[in-house]
Amino acid sequence: DIVMTQTPLSSPVTLGQPASISCSSSQSLVHSDGNTYLSWLQQRPGQPPRLLIYQISNRFSGVPDRFSGSGAGTDFTLKISRVEAEDVGVYYCMQATQFPHTFGQGTKVEIK
Amino acid sequence: QLQLQESGPGLVKPSETLSLTCSVSGGSISRNNYYWGWVRQPPGKGLEWIGSFYSSGSTYYTPSLKSRVIISVDTSKNQFSLKLNSVTAADTAVYYCTANIDYWGLGTLVTVSS
Repeated sequence: DIVMTQTPLSSPVTLGQPASISCSSSQSLVHSDGNTYLSWLQQRPGQPPRLLIYQISNRFSGVPDRFSGSGAGTDFTLKISRVEAEDVGVYYCMQATQFPHTFGQGTKVEIK
Repeated sequence: QLQLQESGPGLVKPSETLSLTCSVSGGSISRNNYYWGWVRQPPGKGLEWIGSFYSSGSTYYTPSLKSRVIISVDTSKNQFSLKLNSVTAADTAVYYCTANIDYWGLGTLVTVSS
């Protein structure tokens, strides 16, 4: 199985300041079709997960442009340019390049 | 926009079978290039992918659950289902159904207890 490792596991952030979460995979996430199936999901307290970013850097419908994704191969990053109160929650990276699909441990973003 | 809703018993006895259904609205479960799956989250813990089936007909399960799980589809009802047998307390979790991970149900808590 591909192991997804996120850092940090907790990220206290000041409102209006940037936040960054890293995710590394134990193997390359480049699929044989040439795409990289690395996604980022947000889970607000008491809510189901919500897709933010797919294929490294594509924002899903309705996702604010303060969220951005980057990376390649085995190292990926989610950035929030200016954290807002509604961004509090746990963020997960997930790979769908190889079965079984696997998630990172989650990074808790909270306001200082 | 797709909407998904999980349904099923909230309490299952140890050694019995957990059965959940995901009802899909706003689109056909037969749509091409989509996968439909189940993800679970034990209380206070992270997400675990259980398995998915594709419009091509292929189904994939996570190895640790493969011997106990079946995901099936009923296109006539636009639903898909999860069955997990021989459950233990470790299977207590919120179970989510998802379409491509683009769309998610609200989740349903299943507790395994006698």
